[in-house]
Amino acid sequence: KAGVTQTPRYLIKTRGQQVTLSCSPISGHRSVSWYQQTPGQGLQFLFEYFSETQRNKGNFPGRFSGRQFSNSRSEMNVSTLELGDSALYLCASSSPYEQYFGPGTRLTVT
Amino acid sequence: TQLLEQSPQFLSIQEGENLTVYCNSSSVFSSLQWYRQEPGEGPVLLVTVVTGGEVKKLKRLTFQFGDARKDSSLHITAAQPGDTGLYLCAAARGSNYKLTFGKGTLLTVNP
Repeated sequence: KAGVTQTPRYLIKTRGQQVTLSCSPISGHRSVSWYQQTPGQGLQFLFEYFSETQRNKGNFPGRFSGRQFSNSRSEMNVSTLELGDSALYLCASSSPYEQYFGPGTRLTVT
Repeated sequence: TQLLEQSPQFLSIQEGENLTVYCNSSSVFSSLQWYRQEPGEGPVLLVTVVTGGEVKKLKRLTFQFGDARKDSSLHITAAQPGDTGLYLCAAARGSNYKLTFGKGTLLTVNP
């Protein structure tokens, strides 16, 4: 069974730009969650999508958004990038009891 | 507010030593998961514990969920350099689709 894939793995953007990250979950998993990981704050929950609907949301500004497609693939978008958005963005594919993470996208904002 | 407190934050030991890391909270959780993360990679799920008092073993790793489902511990016997990594606990209330993570214990096992 293929694992969770995330693209791209690395990304460098400048302040004010926007970025789109992609996640393909494990086959058969309908839930995809997104997390931001930084050295200072650790792993923080962004949002979760299930069957194309946002079901849970963390405490992030509206610049962070996402969506899920009918094949369960998900994208997250960050608009008007700030230096503080530099982080590892992790996608997790979920069964009812467990979450499996992808390798992450390392975003650097300069 | 940090709901999950992990201790210690850093741990450096010699190969062959035993160690225990802790994950504590004042909240009750429906389940708790332990992950290990290596630099530049995503967390890898080690175990899920659900029942208060539950103990699970994975080779040299022993996981325990507190009776009140508020805390957990991870014990490693005879640590090896391959055990080096960031150990994260994560807990769910009700749904397992939104996890709250501790900040992790960074373990270094020196040969």
